[in-house]
Amino acid sequence: NFMLTQPHSVSESPGKTVTISCTRSSGSIASSYVQWYQQRPGSSPTTVIYEDNQRPSGVPDRFSGSIDSSSNSASLTISGLKTEDEADYYCQSYDSSNQNWVFGGGTKLTVL
Amino acid sequence: EVQLVQSGAEVKKPGESLKISCKGSGYSFTSYWIGWVRQMPGKGLEWMGIIYPGDSDTRYSPSFQGQVTISADKSISTAYLQWSSLKASDTAMYYCARRIATGYSYGFDYWGQGTLVTVSS
Repeated sequence: NFMLTQPHSVSESPGKTVTISCTRSSGSIASSYVQWYQQRPGSSPTTVIYEDNQRPSGVPDRFSGSIDSSSNSASLTISGLKTEDEADYYCQSYDSSNQNWVFGGGTKLTVL
Repeated sequence: EVQLVQSGAEVKKPGESLKISCKGSGYSFTSYWIGWVRQMPGKGLEWMGIIYPGDSDTRYSPSFQGQVTISADKSISTAYLQWSSLKASDTAMYYCARRIATGYSYGFDYWGQGTLVTVSS
């Protein structure tokens, strides 16, 4: 079993770039794809990155995902920040040892 | 257009039973897994379980095994989440979500709008 750990909150100014990390506690981050979900206040989650770095149609290319085996973590990078990007962001992966889906605790992004 | 439409908000008393639904449309319902995710007030997302409507193969998170039942009726493209005896701690928003189709992808691509369940005496 593993956990995904995210920073509780991050903040940045409009137009800047922010990166949110997601660190896997055990096992290789590369062993199962990572997804990222955006949840605006009062709304259901939406998918912004799947399979580590793929963007669903309709998601702007300001959103990008990556993994880093050296730090055993995944990252979501949002460039050219807009106020509409203010939301909670969750990473998610899969634990093949017990067939469980695993979510990170979420990161609150403030754009101010 | 792919849509997952969930049933409406519920207010129940402790000990009561409940079944909420998630109706899929715009795609082949039997070909995609449907997962359920809990979000308690002010908290994060928790995976509860998942079902493949094609053959009703179901997996549960250990945290929810025995606490809820997930089922599906493929004839009406609907997945269900049910409780036999609700507790106050079941108060939460519940989301259904469709698993991405590719074989090694364990993410979700479409989400329902959520069903708010409130359990209070």
